[in-house]
Amino acid sequence: AQKVTQAQTEISVVEKEDVTLDCVYETRDTTYYLFWYKQPPSGELVFLIRRNSFDEQNEISGRYSWNFQKSTSSFNFTITASQVVDSAVYFCALRGGSGGSNYKLTFGKGTLLTVNP
Amino acid sequence: GAVVSQHPSWVICKSGTSVKIECRSLDFQATTMFWYRQFPKQSLMLMATSNEGSKATYEQGVEKDKFLINHASLTLSTLTVTSAHPEDSSFYICSARYEGKAEAFFGQGTRLTVV
Repeated sequence: AQKVTQAQTEISVVEKEDVTLDCVYETRDTTYYLFWYKQPPSGELVFLIRRNSFDEQNEISGRYSWNFQKSTSSFNFTITASQVVDSAVYFCALRGGSGGSNYKLTFGKGTLLTVNP
Repeated sequence: GAVVSQHPSWVICKSGTSVKIECRSLDFQATTMFWYRQFPKQSLMLMATSNEGSKATYEQGVEKDKFLINHASLTLSTLTVTSAHPEDSSFYICSARYEGKAEAFFGQGTRLTVV
């Protein structure tokens, strides 16, 4: 069975602060994919990043960075110099890599990030 | 690219009526579409997976006769909530993926309120 844990239910920061959202996962698959999605108040899910299990290289995209640590089964997401527009619910998700029913995503419970001006 | 459009964005219906929600992939052919349900301040729960031209695969606990899913073409899947009741009120969101792409792309979601 697959499981994604986002221990932080809510985080509140002041603009320009850095913030890290934690994600820990469990899977028996040797090949798998990890994702982060952003859900603003309007409701749609915005894809942010995908990481393959065989690629542990960390990634940076503008103010966003991701730290994938297979040894600790974690895939944490850091926003540098946060902005009010970053306020949203962020979901970490996991799927298997072999197709079929493994295409379905298992989501964490989400972390509500509030960035105050 | 990879745009998924969901319609309607919100709907209010009376108890006992049926409601149809559409999910369209606008610029790609979706080999697989997924339907999720999200209660307020909760995570997304997968309801069913559908492949074009075949019957949907429902998750455990999801009533097939209540939540009818049709994936008639590579760009359209529909979810029909039959004989809706207030407890069916929720946010329903679809996603779609195409062959060779690991990530799925989500529609805007539909907020259903049954009164």
